Amino acid sequence: DTAVSQTPKYLVTQMGNDKSIKCEQNLGHDTMYWYKQDSKKFLKIMFSYNNKELIINETVPNRFSPKSPDKAHLNLHINSLELGDSAVYFCASSLGGRVAFFGQGTRLTVV
Amino acid sequence: GQQLNQSPQSMFIQEGEDVSMNCTSSSIFNTWLWYKQDPGEGPVLLIALYKAGELTSNGRLTAQFGITRKDSFLNISASIPSDVGIYFCAGRQQGSNYKLTFGKGTLLTVNP
Repeated sequence: DTAVSQTPKYLVTQMGNDKSIKCEQNLGHDTMYWYKQDSKKFLKIMFSYNNKELIINETVPNRFSPKSPDKAHLNLHINSLELGDSAVYFCASSLGGRVAFFGQGTRLTVV
Repeated sequence: GQQLNQSPQSMFIQEGEDVSMNCTSSSIFNTWLWYKQDPGEGPVLLIALYKAGELTSNGRLTAQFGITRKDSFLNISASIPSDVGIYFCAGRQQGSNYKLTFGKGTLLTVNP
């Protein structure tokens, strides 16, 4: 099935650890995004890559580092995890700046 | 950053009723999107709007791109229990081709 898939779906980790979330899309899109959804369900863009180039970098702590090895993949690495990083992280993709299609999310819990 | 004001924040309705929700901004948007999010899932696109005044339907859902380009509306007719979820408006501001800004969502509860 064509989709935006991200792994893992759930991630529970201790404060101070480093973790990565992976995202892959097989829709042929050239733009990928990371969004963060907080406990109040507010969706906020974190990063966007177009053709592997970073084009949006919102005010995000530099402990968060995205990496796009190719147009179909966008991974998110988080260093020194903090309690406040607990949220659901969504990967999305689009063709140019048009409609964004979302993955199922990764629920990160930092304990 | 640009905020989208989405209302109402939540709605409790009886099955069969019609529902309306809207989104407004202080800036001009050139794209309006409506998404639905079910628990434990990612947002799923319902309707996309690209032109001022555009009225588009998807089954029982109808959305409109406001003439001023600063608002959008979503209507759901004859609601059913599976309409339960969070509905988000999202838009692209003029000059921000890749940045999609989301409203805070409308939580819809449908009583059978």
